[in-house]
Amino acid sequence: EADIYQTPRYLVIGTGKKITLECSQTMGHDKMYWYQQDPGMELHLIHYSYGVNSTEKGDLSSESTVSRIRTEHFPLTLESARPSHTSQYLCASSDFADEKLFFGSGTQLSVL
Amino acid sequence: AQSVTQLGSHVSVSEGALVLLRCNYSSSVPPYLFWYVQYPNQGLQLLLKYTSAATLVKGINGFEAEFKKSETSFHLTKPSAHMSDAAEYFCAVSGSSNTGKLIFGQGTTLQVKP
Repeated sequence: EADIYQTPRYLVIGTGKKITLECSQTMGHDKMYWYQQDPGMELHLIHYSYGVNSTEKGDLSSESTVSRIRTEHFPLTLESARPSHTSQYLCASSDFADEKLFFGSGTQLSVL
Repeated sequence: AQSVTQLGSHVSVSEGALVLLRCNYSSSVPPYLFWYVQYPNQGLQLLLKYTSAATLVKGINGFEAEFKKSETSFHLTKPSAHMSDAAEYFCAVSGSSNTGKLIFGQGTTLQVKP
């Protein structure tokens, strides 16, 4: 079944740790995105990619980095997590000709 | 530049009552407008989208929204609420047809009382 997957669903880590949030889609979409969502707040675009080896920063500045080595995979990395990074991270994808986004279930990150 | 304002962070209705979730937008170009729904512990799902073809847009689960340029609004309605409609609803705007870069509102939590 075509879908978009995020792991882990929940992550609690200590300050200074390096983490990678995984996102994979099996829909063959060219475009992928990372949004950050704080409780009761808007979703903010932090990274996007329109294809392999293409990554761009979004509207909200983020200390995280992303890579797009394969079409289906768009991981997000924090080299040194801090409590200010505590948030929900949502991955999404879309077809090149359509603006409809398909979202994963999200990763709730808590940095202690 | 685009922005979205959702009026009311929480809306409570009785089962069977009209649902009205408000969204106003600001855009310097003709907007593309969306409503997404997020059920607990799930990702966002597209309810409906406006792309200038028709001002009244019908979506899934009986929801619809009307684009009113003069009021810069895109309110979401459903004639009769079901318990299963309880979720968080996000309005979003894009200035492009297919970039996928959306500007989201802060969300409205819909509570449905029996």
